[in-house]
Amino acid sequence: AQTVTQSQPEMSVQEAETVTLSCTYDTSESDYYLFWYKQPPSRQMILVIRQEAYKQQNATENRFSVNFQKAAKSFSLKISDSQLGDAAMYFCACSWWGTYKYIFGTGTRLKVLA
Amino acid sequence: SQTIHQWPATLVQPVGSPLSLECTVEGTSNPNLYWYRQAAGRGLQLLFYSVGIGQISSEVPQNLSASRPQDRQFILSSKKLLLSDSGFYLCAWTRDRANAGELFFGEGSRLTVL
Repeated sequence: AQTVTQSQPEMSVQEAETVTLSCTYDTSESDYYLFWYKQPPSRQMILVIRQEAYKQQNATENRFSVNFQKAAKSFSLKISDSQLGDAAMYFCACSWWGTYKYIFGTGTRLKVLA
Repeated sequence: SQTIHQWPATLVQPVGSPLSLECTVEGTSNPNLYWYRQAAGRGLQLLFYSVGIGQISSEVPQNLSASRPQDRQFILSSKKLLLSDSGFYLCAWTRDRANAGELFFGEGSRLTVL
């Protein structure tokens, strides 16, 4: 079975500092896609970043970047220069080519301290 | 532009009563549609997905069912609600048929079963 695991239920970071959220996944497929979604208190899910498994280069979006380790099946999210607006629930997700399914982890709640 | 709407936003129902949550996507055709449930500590659980009218795939055996009577309409139903059906339900869509593109989420529906 394909699974996504987020082992950190909650993380805290000081404003302007850097934090890394962990995610591991389990799959025997070679063609898949990885995502990080943010869910702020409004509960509206927002895509943060997307990574294709066949691409070796790590995806970046402004202050957000990933560390994609395919052999280790690890996909961590790094948030640089953390801002108060980054406080949210963060979900890691995986989708396998041709399956149409998106499987999510249990989420990590990020607190940003002023 | 494409939009997704879910309703009702909040619902309080007694045990044993029926349920109907609706989701509609505008501005696109033939989307893949999804129903997720979010419960504390369990992340986003994929309930159903549909790749076309009348085509429903169920991921978790449960008290719920889904239907897609029109191309851009996705309905989540139950004949008799259980206490365990309480949660936050999210509808989502994606336009990509093969490559796993961004999943766009609705605003969510909060269901409380008493």
